[in-house]
Amino acid sequence: EAQVTQNPRYLITVTGKKLTVTCSQNMNHEYMSWYRQDPGLGLRQIYYSMNVEVTDKGDVPEGYKVSRKEKRNFPLILESPSPNQTSLYFCASSGYPTYGYTFGSGTRLTVV
Amino acid sequence: GQQVMQIPQYQHVQEGEDFTTYCNSSTTLSNIQWYKQRPGGHPVFLIQLVKSGEVKKQKRLTFQFGEAKKNSSLHITATQTTDVGTYFCAGPAAGNKLTFGGGTRVLVKP
Repeated sequence: EAQVTQNPRYLITVTGKKLTVTCSQNMNHEYMSWYRQDPGLGLRQIYYSMNVEVTDKGDVPEGYKVSRKEKRNFPLILESPSPNQTSLYFCASSGYPTYGYTFGSGTRLTVV
Repeated sequence: GQQVMQIPQYQHVQEGEDFTTYCNSSTTLSNIQWYKQRPGGHPVFLIQLVKSGEVKKQKRLTFQFGEAKKNSSLHITATQTTDVGTYFCAGPAAGNKLTFGGGTRVLVKP
């Protein structure tokens, strides 16, 4: 089944403790993105990747890092999480630059 | 930067009625796309519109792209409880970014 898999689905952590949210897709898509969703703010793009080793900042990249060492994986790294990063995070992939994204099931992160 | 606005933010609809949600961009778009997110779920791609004035239908859903390619609408006829969710429009921005509108949350009254 074609899908984008994120882990974990839920995560509660403490301020400053480094964490990684994994994202993997099995569709051989070149384009991958991370979004965060907050009430009243819709979906905001954090980082974007056009291919292996090619990444670009989205609208809200501060406090986040990404890497794309393999085509299928695009992990999101929070090196020092803060409470304002409490949010619902989605990874998405597409075979096209800017449309037709397939989203993962989401990761609900709480930073206390 | 580019802004994509959706109205209304909330839509309460009686089952069986029609409604329309609107999407407006601050810049001309090469395409507009729509996604649906069920409560507790993730966004699911519905459709992409590319041409000026384009109209596409998916069963009871009708999508339209404005002549100036700066606005779009989604019209749902005979609303059903399965239509509950949040509908997002999205448009490409500079640097291969995809900008989403704030969404229209649809609630259906049986």
